Parts: sequence; C-alpha cells; structure tokens
Amino acid sequence: DAGVIQSPRHEVTEMGQEVTLRCKPISGHDYLFWYRQTMMRGLELLIYFNNNVPIDDSGMPEDRFSAKMPNASFSTLKIQPSEPRDSAVYFCASSLRRFELIAKNIQYFGAGTRLSVL
Amino acid sequence: AQKITQTQPGMFVQEKEAVTLDCTYDTSDPSYGLFWYKQPSSGEMIFLIYQGSYDQQNATEGRYSLNFQKARKSANLVISASQLGDSAMYFCAMTLGDRDDKIIFGKGTRLHILP
Repeated sequence: DAGVIQSPRHEVTEMGQEVTLRCKPISGHDYLFWYRQTMMRGLELLIYFNNNVPIDDSGMPEDRFSAKMPNASFSTLKIQPSEPRDSAVYFCASSLRRFELIAKNIQYFGAGTRLSVL
Repeated sequence: AQKITQTQPGMFVQEKEAVTLDCTYDTSDPSYGLFWYKQPSSGEMIFLIYQGSYDQQNATEGRYSLNFQKARKSANLVISASQLGDSAMYFCAMTLGDRDDKIIFGKGTRLHILP
C-alpha cells in the first residue's frame, strides 16, 4: 500500500513568493496532520484535520499560513508570502483512529518537503 | 501538562550491542499511548513501536522492544543487536486516550552505531 505522499520533496523559492505544499494521506485514514521541523524548534504541529475538517490550527504561526483539505485524499499547506524564517522541513502525517484501542492513533509520516526561502 | 523527556541528546554504541534509549513522560490521564519514531539522515519519520497504558505486556516489534514501567512513567526503547542502519534520530512520543488526537514528541536522541 502507498504511504503518505508529499510533493514536492524540495522547494527553493524567493522571499515574497507563494509556496504550496501538497499531501496525499493513506487511503482510509481519517486524520491528517501538518508539522514543521527545524533544528531550533524541533517538530511542531501546525494544524490537523479530522474527516476533512480542521480541528486545531493553534500551531499555525501566522496568517501567512493556510491549510485546506478539500477531500479525503488531498491537503495543501500554503505560505503566502514566504519569508526566510519559513525555511524548514514540512511533514504531513495521517492516521486512523482506533477507538477500540486506547490512544492508538498511530501517525504515519510522509517523506517531507524541504523548503528553502532565499 | 503532558510532557515527554528524552535526556540523552546523543549516544555512541558499538555495532551488535544492545541499546537502550531513555524516555520519561508526565501525564495525569490514565489512558494514553506511547510511541517511538525513527528519523534517519534521509529525513523521513518512521513509526517503530506502540504501547498502550493498559497493556499488560511490553510491546515488541522485531529487534525493538519497549520497556514500559508505568509506576516510574518510563517508556525506554531497547534495540537488540544494533546494526549500522540503526544510526538515526529517535523520538519518543505520547498521545492521550480520548481527549486529544495530537502526539506530543520529545526532543529526540541521536544514536550513532560504530562499526
């Protein structure tokens, strides 16, 4: 089975440009998470969706960041305008909540998108 | 507040030796799950093993086992017969039972396997 698929794998852009990161979750999963990883701050949860509905976006750094999930098989994270401090690895993860098992909400991660904003 | 602590920022271990990576957690919720993830230098995050707070036995997955000591609130990862390919960053993580779907990650331990 295909895992979580992210595109592009690498993105280099100039400050002020719009950046769109894409994610295809594992088929049948009902949760989707967007993370950002940097050396300084580690792994940060930005936003997550349940059944395509945003549940918690408290980790989104500012209004320049937005995320959508128009259907169960696709999500985007958009940064507009991008800034050098947005340079990081962005991960998408998906999971299937197993209510019959305590807290077994294993998240499976994509390979990540390495974003460099010059 | 819930918290995951990994006190070993880095470890060096000889190939074929067993490795124990430490993880302690803090929660007042009786229902929770504990996870370990591996992040090799290529960057992807790989799920390794899961332990539920009510599980009676320690979880095992191949060469990985989770040494779950509930009273001490520790969830150490044990890797038996380490291999060069085990060199990576390892993250301990926790999620709560029914109240939250988010995972809290520790800061990680970088493991170096020496030939």
